[in-house]
Amino acid sequence: GESVGLHLPTLSVQEGDNSIINCAYSNSASDYFIWYKQESGKGPQFIIDIRSNMDKRQGQRVTVLLNKTVKHLSLQIAATQPGDSAVYFCAENLGGSQGNLIFGKGTKLSVKP
Amino acid sequence: GAVVSQHPSRVICKSGTSVKIECRSLDFQATTMFWYRQFPKQSLMLMATSNEGSKATYEQGVEKDKFLINHASLTLSTLTVTSAHPEDSSFYICSAPKQGGTEAFFGQGTRLTVV
Repeated sequence: GESVGLHLPTLSVQEGDNSIINCAYSNSASDYFIWYKQESGKGPQFIIDIRSNMDKRQGQRVTVLLNKTVKHLSLQIAATQPGDSAVYFCAENLGGSQGNLIFGKGTKLSVKP
Repeated sequence: GAVVSQHPSRVICKSGTSVKIECRSLDFQATTMFWYRQFPKQSLMLMATSNEGSKATYEQGVEKDKFLINHASLTLSTLTVTSAHPEDSSFYICSAPKQGGTEAFFGQGTRLTVV
């Protein structure tokens, strides 16, 4: 969902469940998308990326889905673990690299043991 | 893997003083580095692109005379917040892509508090 003011949207899941984090991106010309995980007080950590010529990409326990028609990106985390608790950002880029990124608003994932 | 190191991780300074933040690529060269700012519970916003050997490119609304960027070598970019004010308090993060690569590596960030 959309963040309001200074409040990040929060997703709370039970350990072992699957998590789905959604993101709406802004530029229909963007051709490269990345998901990052950010733990408190740290820089973003790369999770998975996808190019605009794909609609799905899988990694270890994570899957990214891209719907260019509605400019929507999602991150699915399988068997969510307490260590997955963090803020997740999607980012978009024109030109296929991870420089000069436009970050989405972020979603805080909270995993309950 | 590639490592980008930022220093200091935390700094507190008085209003009106200047603070320098360093961003180093430890095991690769980076002709370009990026500086982001992140306010609490908000997303990262690109401030400027640091270019080795040439002037930095600033995003709209970012004052170049206040946020001085120097990319002195292929492994070091510095951001200097001049005449700091409390509203400059934020989390500053740099990133650097490997030359010829697409993945950018983020530093651990610098928490600046201006009192």
